[in-house]
Amino acid sequence: AQKVTQAQTEISVVEKEDVTLDCVYETRDTTYYLFWYKQPPSGELVFLIRRNSFDEQNEISGRYSWNFQKSTSSFNFTITASQVVDSAVYFCAPDSGGGADGLTFGKGTHLIIQP
Amino acid sequence: DVKVTQSSRYLVKRTGEKVFLECVQDMDHENMFWYRQDPGLGLRLIYFSYDVKMKEKGDIPEGYSVSREKKERFSLILESASTNQTSMYLCASRTGPNYGYTFGSGTRLTVV
Repeated sequence: AQKVTQAQTEISVVEKEDVTLDCVYETRDTTYYLFWYKQPPSGELVFLIRRNSFDEQNEISGRYSWNFQKSTSSFNFTITASQVVDSAVYFCAPDSGGGADGLTFGKGTHLIIQP
Repeated sequence: DVKVTQSSRYLVKRTGEKVFLECVQDMDHENMFWYRQDPGLGLRLIYFSYDVKMKEKGDIPEGYSVSREKKERFSLILESASTNQTSMYLCASRTGPNYGYTFGSGTRLTVV
């Protein structure tokens, strides 16, 4: 079974600061996928990114970027120039067993962006 | 866009009642999932289904059952609701393994 650790329970920063959310996972699979989801105060989880284990290139999407390090089993998420609308709970989730068993979610990191 | 619709946003039920939580998706997704979300515990998988009439236990299936008679609908059943089943229940679907989920907006169930 997969396991994922999001060690930061809550992070609070002031608007415009950069912030990195950590994700460390465990898997026995040689090929796997990793996901990040955002859960704003409204409650509905929103898909952010899907990354496969073959591709170790960092990915950037606007103010969001992801750093995948297969050697350390980490898939960290950075928000540059944070905004109040980024306030949410963020979940990291590896796909398990070749996709057979669905996503395993971490406990989430509650990100608070203060104006 | 794929839509996953959960029939109730808020629900209050009494201990011992049989409770049905309904989830419908409109994009012919093969896989459907039920999670519960509790503070400090994240999302925990209750049951999932790969296809019609198929079901698999997740990490915390005790006290729950599911039904998938049609591809678009996945129902979660609490056979005899208890107060420790008070939680946020999230339904999700996806087209297949290794694809991302689309989530419903959740049902906040309170058992009194």
